[in-house]
Amino acid sequence: GAVVSQHPSWVICKSGTSVKIECRSLDFQATTMFWYRQFPKQSLMLMATSNEGSKATYEQGVEKDKFLINHASLTLSTLTVTSAHPEDSSFYICSAVLGLGTQYFGPGTRLLVL
Amino acid sequence: QQQVKQSPQSLIVQKGGISIINCAYENTAFDYFPWYQQFPGKGPALLIAIRPDVSEKKEGRFTISFNKSAKQFSLHIMDSQPGDSATYFCAASIETSGSRLTFGEGTQLTVNP
Repeated sequence: GAVVSQHPSWVICKSGTSVKIECRSLDFQATTMFWYRQFPKQSLMLMATSNEGSKATYEQGVEKDKFLINHASLTLSTLTVTSAHPEDSSFYICSAVLGLGTQYFGPGTRLLVL
Repeated sequence: QQQVKQSPQSLIVQKGGISIINCAYENTAFDYFPWYQQFPGKGPALLIAIRPDVSEKKEGRFTISFNKSAKQFSLHIMDSQPGDSATYFCAASIETSGSRLTFGEGTQLTVNP
């Protein structure tokens, strides 16, 4: 149990385009999901907290207009990187909260912006 | 006060040995301490977690030791195997405050055959 999926697993896009990443909790409902960014050989950096039915809470320094988050249902949250640029290339990982506090992570999405 | 300090940054162990990774925290409000294992190109996977009401938790070859007074916790991997080679992250959260995790910096473990 407690499986979280992400789609796509990797994406290559041209600079200036937008990319949508989906995060789904497959066998449980998650009121709260998180979005992280991870650079090579570094820890996970929290970007935003996504709560079903309400606006996402962004961490300091994360542009909410650039990284649009929608948590439309208890099993789906989406992250849209708008007008992507090469510096947005990274490994994006979502997590979903089961119960009181256990976070289960998705497999990640590798984004490469050319 | 929100930081979690993890050491060592990297660790090399021989097959069959014990791998020990340590973490220290400052915020005494933390009440949930999970460890995650991450393989290259994959998302972190929950390995084992502990709450402060116990000093030790064991699951198979993995043990968490927790020292509340010292504000430290550690992961012990017994009989380490090459398949355990991965990056390990400790984390801490306040469960009643939205489950937001504060991560350690990570430890890259290499188990030599």
